[in-house]
Formats: sequence, C-alpha cells, structure tokens
Amino acid sequence: ETGVTQSPTHLIKTRGQQVTLRCSSQSGHNTVSWYQQALGQGPQFIFQYYREEENGRGNFPPRFSGLQFPNYSSELNVNALELDDSALYLCASSLVGSRYNEQFFGPGTRLTVL
Amino acid sequence: KQEVTQIPAALSVPEGENLVLNCSFTDSAIYNLQWFRQDPGKGLTSLLLIQSSQREQTSGRLNASLDKSSGRSTLYIAASQPGDSATYLCAVIPLSNTGKLIFGQGTTLQVKP
Repeated sequence: ETGVTQSPTHLIKTRGQQVTLRCSSQSGHNTVSWYQQALGQGPQFIFQYYREEENGRGNFPPRFSGLQFPNYSSELNVNALELDDSALYLCASSLVGSRYNEQFFGPGTRLTVL
Repeated sequence: KQEVTQIPAALSVPEGENLVLNCSFTDSAIYNLQWFRQDPGKGLTSLLLIQSSQREQTSGRLNASLDKSSGRSTLYIAASQPGDSATYLCAVIPLSNTGKLIFGQGTTLQVKP
C-alpha cells in the first residue's frame, strides 16, 4: 500500500509569485484535503477535493485554489504569494464512505516566501 | 464555532514517567477525534482514532479517552521514552463537515534520558 506523497519537499518563492504544490493520495483513497501549518501552530483546513470538485473550504482567500485529477492526485495553487503564506503545507487523503473517515497525511511541503 | 485547545503547550519529563496530555473541544457534535504525532518539520502520524460513540482506544503504551459530553479527551503515555519526544496534536471532525479536521495547537513533549 502506497502512502501519501507530496512534492516538492521545500520551496522558496518571493512575494507576488505563484506556486503549485502536488499530492498523491494513498492507494484506494478518493478524497484529498489540504492544510496550512504555520510555525508553532496546529494545521488549518484549506479545502477538500472529492470527485474532482471542491467539497468544503476553510477561511482562506480565493488566491488559494486547487485541482483533483481522475487518479485522485491533487494540486494546491497559491497566487500572489504573501510573506504570511510561509508555512508547512500538508496534504491528507481519505476514503469517503469508510467507517472511520480517517485522514492519512503526507510529509508536507515547506514553503518559504521572501 | 468549534475550537480545540490543548494543555499544556509544552511538557518535559524524565524517562519512564507516565504522563497525560489534555485536549478540550467546545462543541460536542463531533464525528470522531484523532490524536497525531508530529516530529519537527515533518508530517503527521495518526496515533489513535476514537469514534464519537466510543470511550477509549488503546495502542501499545498509548491510551486515548473521550468524554464527548464534557468536551474532553486525554492521551495517556505509559513508561515514556526519549523516542516519544515530539509534538502531539488533537483534532476533531465535526458532524457539520465530516471533510475537515479541526486541530488544537499541540503539546510539545520532551522526554529526557
């Protein structure tokens, strides 16, 4: 069974640029959720994708957008980067309809905005 | 609005000690509660998941309890080891949106040899 993978591991961008982060879900899972974790804080829910559509969104502006592909992998896109976007971005996959709705996390992408 | 709080924010104990980490949540309408471990700069590893109808779950030296009516969960770690040093996060899935996890800020544990 393949776990959740994310790429890249680290990324450095400058303010105003755009970034794309990628996530491959765990084998057999059909849902991907994205979280932002600032230093010293708990993760904050950005949005979830199910059947290639956004299925719930947290308190994040529209410049945070995403995609889910037919193979259930996903991208997180952030436009017009701001310094406060510097964080660890975590992807989690799960199976809608499973008994526990347990989410399994990837290793994260560390984004630094200068 | 559901809020999750973890106390203490940091904890340092000598090796071998039994310890309890606390988690509280403001809305008892939850689907389940999960405890995670996070090593510095890394992703989250799921430790235990408790469904809303359950009272506790055990895995090895770990035991998690859930009291939904009082909005509390505890994570008990028996015979702590230096390898247990990490940040422990508690998260709930609300009934209103079973697609999202709402996290506390975590408890950073240091177990000294």
